[in-house]
Amino acid sequence: DTGVSQDPRHKITKRGQNVTFRCDPISEHNHLYWYRQTLGQGPEFLTYFQNEAQLEKSRLLSDRFSAERPKGSFSTLEIQRTEQGDSAMYLCASSLNRGRRGYGYTFGSGTRLTVV
Amino acid sequence: AQTVTQSQPEMSVQEAETVTLSCTYDTSENNYYLFWYKQPPSRQMILVIRQEAYKQQNATENRFSVNFQKAAKSFSLKISDSQLGDTAMYFCAFMIPSNTGNQFYFGTGTSLTVIP
Repeated sequence: DTGVSQDPRHKITKRGQNVTFRCDPISEHNHLYWYRQTLGQGPEFLTYFQNEAQLEKSRLLSDRFSAERPKGSFSTLEIQRTEQGDSAMYLCASSLNRGRRGYGYTFGSGTRLTVV
Repeated sequence: AQTVTQSQPEMSVQEAETVTLSCTYDTSENNYYLFWYKQPPSRQMILVIRQEAYKQQNATENRFSVNFQKAAKSFSLKISDSQLGDTAMYFCAFMIPSNTGNQFYFGTGTSLTVIP
């Protein structure tokens, strides 16, 4: 297992189109997170899965965004009717949660989305 | 509100010298963890060092060490004997652990350049 994989690495799309990103976490990690990183900013939390259940969503996640994690394995993040403001790096991270211990994540390399 | 402030957008250091990156944060929680992540250009974020808030002893990891001042809510990173491979964006972050997932709060980052 080589870590968290994200596909594609780069995506250029026209405004109004739908895009879907995929994240494959480390196989035994039951927790999966999506973050968005815009230019000059740190990553901002979007959503969190524990196994297949989406347990938390940020207010940044508008109705145009949807995320799934079927069977608690890989996850997809879909953006419908993309807008220029959606241009960002979308980061996926996973962890093996051990309760209230603050272990860090393993991050993927991200998908860079450019909306033109 | 949970916030992280990194007041140095860019820094540079001569190879083999020492540099300190500053970070302050704000939270009303008592149990949390602090992190420094490194993000090389076009590469994934990598954990540099981690500090438990309940521990007074500052964490160290080879050339990397922190100065954790809990009362001041300050968490600076010192890099000794800087190497060219240390050139990257550095993000300070804290996490409030829970049984339902650990969300990170990131600062805006400090871009560090190590000069040969």
